[in-house]
Amino acid sequence: DAKTTQPPSMDCAEGRAANLPCNHSTISGNEYVYWYRQIHSQGPQYIIHGLKNNETNEMASLIITEDRKSSTLILPHATLRDTAVYYCIVRVAQGAQKLVFGQGTRLTINP
Amino acid sequence: GAVVSQHPSWVICKSGTSVKIECRSLDFQATTMFWYRQFPKQSLMLMATSNEGSKATYEQGVEKDKFLINHASLTLSTLTVTSAHPEDSSFYICSAVRSGGADTQYFGPGTRLTVL
Repeated sequence: DAKTTQPPSMDCAEGRAANLPCNHSTISGNEYVYWYRQIHSQGPQYIIHGLKNNETNEMASLIITEDRKSSTLILPHATLRDTAVYYCIVRVAQGAQKLVFGQGTRLTINP
Repeated sequence: GAVVSQHPSWVICKSGTSVKIECRSLDFQATTMFWYRQFPKQSLMLMATSNEGSKATYEQGVEKDKFLINHASLTLSTLTVTSAHPEDSSFYICSAVRSGGADTQYFGPGTRLTVL
């Protein structure tokens, strides 16, 4: 699976949009971009995933560049409960493939 | 949907004893489940892949005789830490794959093991 690079930490004001970047320059054509987050002392929570088109669900939006070498997770109106470590993971979608977690981005939402 | 539970949520045991952790997919069937371990201030590390009805596949460096995995049904996988030692104290997290579509993994809430 391709390696991802994320900033170690970010801050965002409550109510503003939080934009979390991820670089995955070695991504293959059949690999998806997945985002999970982990709130302190809990299991990771699935957020969203995509292949090449932008995706949106009730939690977030995922913007993938045309060359697919990077992506941005957008939390449109961040709340204090969005404070967590966010993981960007690239993997082949088909089949039960393991996830390789990097260090992620520690996002802190400030009041 | 896609709820995964773990039991217990925390456990304290004496060194040398064995501890069993259960992972259940509550509203879907999971042919495959994964077991991860997370030490303080570190990321999740995959320990093993658990497949229903067959032997688990362990990652390099994980002792299969120490961490026994059983996946007897499509909704239950168990991890038994045998002869636990203080260095086994960690946060153990399972995930279950919801088959079909993108085969997304859904995670349990984790089990915190403390070995005295």
